[in-house]
Parts: sequence; C-alpha cells; structure tokens
Amino acid sequence: QVQLVQSGAEVKKTGSSVKVSCKTSEDAFATYASIAWVRQAPGQGLEWMGAIMPIFGSPTYAQKFQGRVTLSADDSTATVYLELTSLRPDDTAVYYCSRQSVTKGPYFHYWGQGTLVTVSS
Amino acid sequence: QSVLTQPPSVSGAPGQRVTISCTGSSSNIGADYDVHWYQQLPGTAPKLLIFGNNNRPSGVPDRFSGSKSGTSASLAITGLQAEDEADYYCQSYDSSLSGSVFGGGTKVTVL
Repeated sequence: QVQLVQSGAEVKKTGSSVKVSCKTSEDAFATYASIAWVRQAPGQGLEWMGAIMPIFGSPTYAQKFQGRVTLSADDSTATVYLELTSLRPDDTAVYYCSRQSVTKGPYFHYWGQGTLVTVSS
Repeated sequence: QSVLTQPPSVSGAPGQRVTISCTGSSSNIGADYDVHWYQQLPGTAPKLLIFGNNNRPSGVPDRFSGSKSGTSASLAITGLQAEDEADYYCQSYDSSLSGSVFGGGTKVTVL
C-alpha cells in the first residue's frame, strides 16, 4: 500500500516562505515514480503546482509558480519537499502531495492527507 | 478560470443516472491526452475514480464510468447513492502549459 504522510499545518506571514514535507514509501525513490504537488484554496478547485521524479531529482513546475516554488527530494529519508516563497494571502490553501502515474499523460493515483498553509498579513 | 470546463453542479434522485461533462481544447483533451476523474468528499483528500478515460482503480464501484470523445469527456454515475454526494474533478495534460490541468469541479447532490 502506497502511503504519503505530510507535515502539519503552518501559519505564515505575507512575504515569508514555507516548506512542506511529504514522506513517501521508499520505492518512489527506486523507480521512475514522480511525486506531484496540488493545492486547493478554501472553497476552490484543484491546482497543479509541479512534480519531481526523486530518482533523478529533476522537477517540473507550473508556469504560474515558476520562480516561487522549489521541489526537492531527500533519498535518505524518502521525503519530498515543497518550498513556496514570497507568500501572499491568496497562497492560503491545503497543499497535497500525490504519487503520480502515467497513461497518455500523468494522473494522481495516491494522495497525502494534505497540509493547510495559512498566510496572513 | 479553469482550463477544463465542468458544470458547477448536478443533482439526481437515488437510483438515477447523472453525467458530468468536461470540456477542453486542442492542446489537452483534443490532443489525445487521457482524462482522469477524482472524487472529493468534504474535508478529505481527492481520490482517484477513473484513470485513462475509462479505467477504474481497484475498489471503485462499476457504477462509475468514463468516456472521451474529441475535446470532451464525461463521467457517468449510475444507480446514484447518498454516499456519492461529493465534488468531482476532471484532469488532463496540456501541451501548451506543459503541465497537468483540472476542471473547476462539479458538486453532485443526491436529492
């Protein structure tokens, strides 16, 4: 059973940064699996932010977040990280990590429990 | 404004059939990328419901089915049950954006 366990809720000030972790099962670091990040603002829909293939450490980012988001992976702990900088109140959202699979295009097979990030001024 | 367009809400009585549409364009669904569907119950993480247009992961009831044609896709729920009341999202890949895109979500209400 694939499990993704995320870090706890965060409260941040406008202009600061946040780093959210997602501990995965170790095979994600031994295969060509990718871990994606998807966020959901309160009462809103889902928004893809980017993905990383831990075995290569090569991330891809949504154009909207280029320059503000960094995805990284630590194979010693089988943990993937999302760092978002220059936080604004509209970054308030639940951030999900997801184990990605592929058919003709990626999809999100397994999900973490979500991490609420609240940004206040 | 989402790249994929879904109706905000659909409703049906228990036992009825409802469908949710997902309309894209030539850079996503119309470019032959697969469509996937997720169910999100209140306060929980999304759950994969349909992948690769019409495939159900293990454990998903066969009351749920997906289809795709041209630049659109649909999710059908037959034999609607109270437990199906949730938000549903479609998702695909967009070559112009070089990333995954979602629909805005559809709230299914069981009357």
